Amino acid sequence: DAGITQSPRHKVTETGTPVTLRCHQTENHRYMYWYRQDPGHGLRLIHYSYGVKDTDKGEVSDGYSVSRSKTEDFLLTLESATSSQTSVYFCAISGSQGTEQYFGPGTRLTVT
Amino acid sequence: AQRVTQPEKLLSVFKGAPVELKCNYSYSGSPELFWYVQYSRQRLQLLLRHISRESIKGFTADLNKGETSFHLKKPFAQEEDSAMYYCALSDRGSTLGRLYFGRGTQLTVWP
Repeated sequence: DAGITQSPRHKVTETGTPVTLRCHQTENHRYMYWYRQDPGHGLRLIHYSYGVKDTDKGEVSDGYSVSRSKTEDFLLTLESATSSQTSVYFCAISGSQGTEQYFGPGTRLTVT
Repeated sequence: AQRVTQPEKLLSVFKGAPVELKCNYSYSGSPELFWYVQYSRQRLQLLLRHISRESIKGFTADLNKGETSFHLKKPFAQEEDSAMYYCALSDRGSTLGRLYFGRGTQLTVWP
């Protein structure tokens, strides 16, 4: 597996609370991505980053923000968690534009 | 517009039978396509990329530009092939080159 870790791996939180998920890579890859995985929807892109402090929105970005202050870390924040954000969140990295991506182990988030 | 379509949500075969997981795409340029596999509650793993034309775990996939398809095939399915399979398209034409994923096909191989 590529050197990608995610923390926490599991989290249960209450509606309305902020939550931050962390993705950490040791591959020095430029591109990093956050996806959510839901039954019947597959993988949907939330946000991505193409360098330190360079981020942009994906297709389901409402209610989420990201930050990348170092090459190795990409943080996903749910500003005020809702039950619709209960999902499995995957981080991915790639070394070059448009090439294959390598995935982290995922974070299972439950919002009650 | 959906760029990658996997028409089968679920697919079941018996061990030893051939298996084909369908993937169709829409893309105006020259596509780059991938297959990813996800075993139960694990991370997604890259299975195949069309440009390398390699065979991994007995799986192959051929890009058919005329039919805009990239179907995944294996002549003799094994129980350990049971997993979720995702087809993905690289959008090299955009500035940032993201991947578009299909919705996935859950393959079950019965003993």
